[in-house]
Amino acid sequence: DVKVTQSSRYLVKRTGEKVFLECVQDMDHENMFWYRQDPGLGLRLIYFSYDVKMKEKGDIPEGYSVSREKKERFSLILESASTNQTSMYLCASSYPSAGSSYNEQFFGPGTRLTVL
Amino acid sequence: GDSVTQMEGPVTLSEEAFLTINCTYTATGYPSLFWYVQYPGEGLQLLLKATKADDKGSNKGFEATYRKETTSFHLEKGSVQVSDSAVYFCALSGVGDKIIFGKGTRLHILP
Repeated sequence: DVKVTQSSRYLVKRTGEKVFLECVQDMDHENMFWYRQDPGLGLRLIYFSYDVKMKEKGDIPEGYSVSREKKERFSLILESASTNQTSMYLCASSYPSAGSSYNEQFFGPGTRLTVL
Repeated sequence: GDSVTQMEGPVTLSEEAFLTINCTYTATGYPSLFWYVQYPGEGLQLLLKATKADDKGSNKGFEATYRKETTSFHLEKGSVQVSDSAVYFCALSGVGDKIIFGKGTRLHILP
């Protein structure tokens, strides 16, 4: 059974703290993604990675960074958490399309982060 | 750029009612189209997909047909159940293995 796991389901942090969200997948996928989900805004892509040590900015990278030291692990870092980063964070992974038109993403259960 | 527009929710139906959730898209090229579902407290999971025009994706009684002429991919189910209560996302395959999601439609099914 394919699996994407996230380190915490719920997290409460203080403004200014450094926050690490971890994501691990066991499917040997090259691609990994971080999204945030907010009511009325749907999913917005923060960062993604096609391979170890690689990272690409998504649509809303400001205030975030990422790390991918191993293929199975993709970390999202909030350098100095702010209240407007209170959200649901979803991690996903996929195989590269390599010319095919089908590239299903597999999602973790999400981390609901509250910044006070 | 590429985008997906889906009907806003919430949608509230009685059990055994017919369901339609509208989805239209704007894209260059020939994207694959998806419906993802998010059950309460969970991440998203793929419900069905279609990879080319006139393809019909189906799963768990849900269906959607890739209509290139109307740029639509409407989700339908003939008889919904309480267990179908969830948030449904229409999506398309974007450049570089990215997926572009609609904003989601929350569905409530009343017993």
